[in-house]
Amino acid sequence: DVKVTQSSRYLVKRTGEKVFLECVQDMDHENMFWYRQDPGLGLRLIYFSYDVKMKEKGDIPEGYSVSREKKERFSLILESASTNQTSMYLCASSIRGSDGYTFGSGTRLTVV
Amino acid sequence: QKEVEQNSGPLSVPEGAIASLNCTYSDRGSQSFFWYRQYSGKSPELIMFIYSNGDKEDGRFTAQLNKASQYVSLLIRDSQPSDSATYLCAVSGAGSYQLTFGKGTKLSVIP
Repeated sequence: DVKVTQSSRYLVKRTGEKVFLECVQDMDHENMFWYRQDPGLGLRLIYFSYDVKMKEKGDIPEGYSVSREKKERFSLILESASTNQTSMYLCASSIRGSDGYTFGSGTRLTVV
Repeated sequence: QKEVEQNSGPLSVPEGAIASLNCTYSDRGSQSFFWYRQYSGKSPELIMFIYSNGDKEDGRFTAQLNKASQYVSLLIRDSQPSDSATYLCAVSGAGSYQLTFGKGTKLSVIP
């Protein structure tokens, strides 16, 4: 089975801190995604990547950046954390959109 | 803007009944359709996918697709309390990297 691993399950950070969320997949998937999920708003795409060093903005990229230096790793960076970035962050990977995604276990980030 | 619509629920069904979850989508070119189950505080888990019109059965789960009506559904037979979760519908277009997700329907199975 494909495994998508997110480095932290729970994270508490202070306002203004730079935050790194790491995601690693072990099945050579081309595509990787970062979503945030908030009650009533569903899953919202932040950034995605379809190849090493390639990145595309999703629906809500403001305040975030990403890095994909290796195929298996996709990092989400909060440049200066704010309280409105408190959320569940989900990483996913896929071979193709037609194959569906495999999600990581999620990181619940609280910014205080 | 591609949209996927689901009734947010909660949908309550008694244990042993059939739960019916529905989803409509706006992009007529959509080709792949998925149902994810998400328990509270956990990440989504793929439980069914369907590509062709008609029904696809896997155990107690049946996915139904009607492309002409732009409608996909998930039936859960003999519902169990362990089926209580939020069910997300997701849709992918031809050649697309991405899935478009609905906001999910919360299902509650009452013992």
